[in-house]
Amino acid sequence: QLVLTQSPSASASLGAAVKLTCTLSSGHKSYAVAWHQQQPGKGPRFLMKLNSDGSHTKGDGIPDRFSGSSSGAERYISISSLQSEDEADYYCQTWDTGNWVFGGGTRLTVL
Amino acid sequence: EVQLLESGGGLVQPGGSLRLSCTASGFSISTYAMSWVRQAPGKGLEWVSSISSTAFTIYYADSVQGRFTISRDISKNMLYLQLDSLRAEDTAVYFCARAVPPHANYFDYWGQGALVTVSS
Repeated sequence: QLVLTQSPSASASLGAAVKLTCTLSSGHKSYAVAWHQQQPGKGPRFLMKLNSDGSHTKGDGIPDRFSGSSSGAERYISISSLQSEDEADYYCQTWDTGNWVFGGGTRLTVL
Repeated sequence: EVQLLESGGGLVQPGGSLRLSCTASGFSISTYAMSWVRQAPGKGLEWVSSISSTAFTIYYADSVQGRFTISRDISKNMLYLQLDSLRAEDTAVYFCARAVPPHANYFDYWGQGALVTVSS
């Protein structure tokens, strides 16, 4: 079964960097994922598609502070120079035939 | 500029029906697969349904199969979701989303959402 696992919460200080993790279930470590950001009270925003080799394609207007990387079944999104507007929920998402799957989301708090 | 705008949400009694609409602008839905994703209060995102760019292929999550119907009107550039036999657990904000070709395996644009509340 295709499952994405994310830590429920993370925190980092203003101006610092943070790395969020999304883990693919066993047997699916070659899958690409997409990362989406959801600020409070808003619809999600596509950040990037991240392949198993770490290559990624960002969405329109996504700043260079956001980057992605991969290792085995892990998919990461890194955010540098944290700003207050980065405080949001971050969801990874992947796909199998006829089924789009989301991770449970990580709530990022900027201290 | 790509924009998606949902409408049609509201309060409905258990067992009732509702139709959500999504107005697309800045692109033609005839060339993109489109999807609905929902978010229950305080919860994460849950995929609901998708329609391919040709409309030949339609998928539903098991939780809504047989109760919800996705459709589109190319002439109006609109996507729809018909919600029937509604249950309390269908209460959520419903987002429409555009899927990226050629495989439509992820979403690159989202709407702001429409709230559906199922309650007596």
